[in-house]
Amino acid sequence: KAGVTQTPRYLIKTRGQQVTLSCSPISGHRSVSWYQQTPGQGLQFLFEYFSETQRNKGNFPGRFSGRQFSNSRSEMNVSTLELGDSALYLCASSLAQADNEKLFFGSGTQLSVL
Amino acid sequence: DQQVKQNSPSLSVQEGRISILNCDYTNSMFDYFLWYKKYPAEGPTFLISISSIKDKNEDGRFTVFLNKSAKHLSLHIVPSQPGDSAVYFCAASVPHANNDMRFGAGTRLTVKP
Repeated sequence: KAGVTQTPRYLIKTRGQQVTLSCSPISGHRSVSWYQQTPGQGLQFLFEYFSETQRNKGNFPGRFSGRQFSNSRSEMNVSTLELGDSALYLCASSLAQADNEKLFFGSGTQLSVL
Repeated sequence: DQQVKQNSPSLSVQEGRISILNCDYTNSMFDYFLWYKKYPAEGPTFLISISSIKDKNEDGRFTVFLNKSAKHLSLHIVPSQPGDSAVYFCAASVPHANNDMRFGAGTRLTVKP
């Protein structure tokens, strides 16, 4: 069974640009979550999607948005990039059949904003 | 607000000895706790979890202890192996969180042969 796949692995953008990151969950997983990892800050929750609906959102500005498609694949978009957006963006999927479930993470997209 | 804290950025232990990684939290509503391990250039992988109704959960060489009154949990690795060298993240969630997990900043464990 293939794991969570994120593309691209690396991305370099300049301030003011926008970027779209892609995530394919494990087959059969209906929930997709996005996290931002920066050095010394751990993983910060961005948002979670289930059945094409955003169910939960973290404390990030509106420049960060996402969506989920009918096949559970998800995209995350960041507009008007800032230097502080440089981070590893991780996608995680889960079955969403129980309240407490472990997340399965992809390898992430390393975004550098110059 | 950092609701989950891992105060030790790094830990170094000798192979065969015990590794103890600590985690503190502030939100008394957390009812599910997890540890994830992360190798460079890979995503975090689930290691072990514990529900707030328990105070200990064991899986092979890994044991997680939960002290609710102190809002503290720890991960014990016995015996430690060089392959355990990685960054360990503590995470916690409240009921019906929809995968909104709060993570600590991580502790880099180095196990020396």
